[in-house]
Amino acid sequence: QVQLQESGPGLVKPSQTLSLTCAVSGDSLSSGAYWSWVRQPAGKGLEWIGRIHASGSTEYNPSLKSRVTISFDTSKNQFSLQLRSVSAGDTALYYCARGNFYVDFYLWGQGTRVIVS
Amino acid sequence: DIVLTQSPDSLAVSLGERATINCKSSQTVFYSSTNRNNLAWFQQKPGQPPKVLIYWASTRESGVPDRFSGSGSGTDFTLTISSLQAEDVAVYYCQQYIATPLTFGGGTRVEIK
Repeated sequence: QVQLQESGPGLVKPSQTLSLTCAVSGDSLSSGAYWSWVRQPAGKGLEWIGRIHASGSTEYNPSLKSRVTISFDTSKNQFSLQLRSVSAGDTALYYCARGNFYVDFYLWGQGTRVIVS
Repeated sequence: DIVLTQSPDSLAVSLGERATINCKSSQTVFYSSTNRNNLAWFQQKPGQPPKVLIYWASTRESGVPDRFSGSGSGTDFTLTISSLQAEDVAVYYCQQYIATPLTFGGGTRVEIK
């Protein structure tokens, strides 16, 4: 059974870098899937941040592209999100998700809440 | 970016009645190479991550009750709950995956009347 689990600091200061990790169990990052980050401000909708393919190629939302890096740590079977120069507008619940051949967000983690303050 | 506009923002439906949610795309999400519409529907209950209900606009995900159905093509799509149950109270999102950036609709909150 594939499971995703986000982790990282719940509080980040403005202008600093938000760093989150998604630990994957029951699957391999090299399985051919896309692995994404999505965020959701409290009481609001969903915003795709970006994704990394099993090949290592990345795509980012242009609205965040200048500040985002998504990368693999294959030795730990996890992938990570770095969001630089954060502000209050980056406060949100951050989800990692796995895609499959027919939908980009087939499986989700439970999410981790990040407050920028 | 492809903008998905959902309507209504919220609706209240009596138990056992039909709920209909619309999603309009600013560009077609029909992918001619596969002859499919790259649109999915998600359900998000309070305190939970979203869950995929429908993909390719009308294909029900395994395990999803058959009271959920998706229809539409091109730029106009509908999610229908044929007989609303108490456990269907949630926010529903459409999402396109024909082009990056991947985008979601603004969500529709479904409540019991």
